[in-house]
Amino acid sequence: QVQLVESGGGVVQPGRSLRLSCAASGFTFSRHGMHWVRQAPGKGLEWLAVISYDETTIYYADSVKGRFTISRDNSRNTLYLQMNRLRPDDTAHFFCARGSPDAAVLDYWGQGTLVTVSS
Amino acid sequence: DIVMTQSPDSLVMSLGERATINCRSRQSLFYRPKNKNYLAWYQRKPGQPPKLLIYSASTRASGVPDRFSGSGSGTDFTLTIRNLQADDVALYFCQQHYTYPFTFGAGTKVEI
Repeated sequence: QVQLVESGGGVVQPGRSLRLSCAASGFTFSRHGMHWVRQAPGKGLEWLAVISYDETTIYYADSVKGRFTISRDNSRNTLYLQMNRLRPDDTAHFFCARGSPDAAVLDYWGQGTLVTVSS
Repeated sequence: DIVMTQSPDSLVMSLGERATINCRSRQSLFYRPKNKNYLAWYQRKPGQPPKLLIYSASTRASGVPDRFSGSGSGTDFTLTIRNLQADDVALYFCQQHYTYPFTFGAGTKVEI
């Protein structure tokens, strides 16, 4: 079955960097676009970024553009989110999600990893 | 960005009743070349990630019971849950998949 497992979260100081990973299994990773979504404490879901199956198309939310970088390694079935210049308002649970091939919806989600930005 | 507004914020229902959740987008989600409305519904239970229920406004995702149905077009959409079960207690939210950045509604909490 489809599995997405995020890792790399933790406590980090403002201004520092962190890289999240999302290990995929149970499907052909190289055929799907992949997304990152986050949910800050007490807030709703916020879509962050998408990368196409072949890395040729990438979009970001304005809130993270220029600070976060989405990437993938199809040989390792792994999605990444490099987060630089972290701010306290980046504190959130971060989820990776698979894009469905026909409608670009997020058809499977990981359990999430918590990132806390605090001094 | 397309703003998504859901109503109500919460619903308290009885088992077997029909629950109706509304979602409105600030701009049309109808994509004429495909004749589809790009609106999805998700269910989220405590401690679990979101689960896709409906996409393209009315297409049920794989394995979703037919008690769940989506309708609507343009800017106004509805998720209907027939014959409410105890297992349906969750947060439900809509999301437009018409254009990036994808945006979500704030969610509707369904309780029994």
